[in-house]
Amino acid sequence: DGGITQSPKYLFRKEGQNVTLSCEQNLNHDAMYWYRQDPGQGLRLIYYSQIVNDFQKGDIAEGYSVSREKKESFPLTVTSAQKNPTAFYLCASLAGPSTDTQYFGPGTRLTVL
Amino acid sequence: AQSVAQPEDQVNVAEGNPLTVKCTYSVSGNPYLFWYVQYPNRGLQFLLKYITGDNLVKGSYGFEAEFNKSQTSFHLKKPSALVSDSALYFCAVRSKPGGSYIPTFGRGTSLIVHP
Repeated sequence: DGGITQSPKYLFRKEGQNVTLSCEQNLNHDAMYWYRQDPGQGLRLIYYSQIVNDFQKGDIAEGYSVSREKKESFPLTVTSAQKNPTAFYLCASLAGPSTDTQYFGPGTRLTVL
Repeated sequence: AQSVAQPEDQVNVAEGNPLTVKCTYSVSGNPYLFWYVQYPNRGLQFLLKYITGDNLVKGSYGFEAEFNKSQTSFHLKKPSALVSDSALYFCAVRSKPGGSYIPTFGRGTSLIVHP
């Protein structure tokens, strides 16, 4: 997991609440990603960002929002519009488009009560 | 479009026996191929990658994978399995620079190594 931190490790949310998941990296990587992991479904891309102040929707962006105000930070907000938010959320980074290997954080498990 | 298939949800093997976790892919042009491992409630850890060169790639913890272009496969192998290898394994593909640098992941294969 080196170089990427995610907090909190576990998060509980009541229905109707927005929550924000933190992702920080000290690898000086340009690109950052958010994935959602559900049992048997692999990793699904929520949002990604290639550079500061720019981000694009992934395959399942509805009900989520992100910001990229600093190179090292890429927080994800799970809004009340996300109908089934209980999942394991993974943040990753990549040095740049010409490089190859993504590095992953330890993940945040979100549970809606 | 690019895609990855991991045809087995679960692979069971006895400790000390060889193991294979299968992966096939589809991508435009030449691929970058990756294997990652995930332990419970943890992030993904990089195991190995194929970029170019020798079709047999060696990685961490004694794992290796063979790139087969004609069969569009990148199967993960290990000569002698350990109980500690039990985990979830993901194959991923992306096209080389110039195309999308968003990798596509397979659904994962749960490897269970029995003592």
